[in-house]
Amino acid sequence: NAGVMQNPRHLVRRRGQEARLRCSPMKGHSHVYWYRQLPEEGLKFMVYLQKENIIDESGMPKERFSAEFPKEGPSILRIQQVVRGDSAAYFCASKPFGGTEAFFGQGTRLTVV
Amino acid sequence: SQQGEEDPQALSIQEGENATMNCSYKTSINNLQWYRQNSGRGLVHLILIRSNEREKHSGRLRVTLDTSKKSSSLLITASRAADTASYFCATDANNAGNMLTFGGGTRLMVKP
Repeated sequence: NAGVMQNPRHLVRRRGQEARLRCSPMKGHSHVYWYRQLPEEGLKFMVYLQKENIIDESGMPKERFSAEFPKEGPSILRIQQVVRGDSAAYFCASKPFGGTEAFFGQGTRLTVV
Repeated sequence: SQQGEEDPQALSIQEGENATMNCSYKTSINNLQWYRQNSGRGLVHLILIRSNEREKHSGRLRVTLDTSKKSSSLLITASRAADTASYFCATDANNAGNMLTFGGGTRLMVKP
């Protein structure tokens, strides 16, 4: 089991471009969570997904941000028309159904220039 | 929304000393978890304590939970330079749909 895989590890985008962050959960895990972390701060919840369903997106900005977890393939966090304030580390975590411990990926560090 | 609050925000100790970090939260929880994050890396799960437990041990780690005070503490005994990292508590609340809510973290530096 390779653990939670996120790619890319580092992503640089110019203002106005789109950023696509990918997360492959651990094998057998059906719950995926996305968090954002600004420097020297804790993790802020963004969105919680199960396969083909968004369960809770209360932490995600209403505009420019979207997330999906299709039946096949990784979960995608998409940020359209990025701005400098989107620069942060984005972490994905996964849990099995009924599980309590969340397993985190290494994160994607997005830099908007 | 509920948020754990850790204190202190930063802690600097000598190798061999004990490090104690505290976490407070606001609403009732299913469990509370502690994570470690090395600079620029992902989070590593350290220990989970359920709401009906008061104390738990894992190696050099000792976690306590006081649900009446809505607080938890993480004690690292005989600290090592390799323990230098940020430590976060995360709560799994009764009404949060399995979502973990993180505090701002304690940045621990262990000097050799």
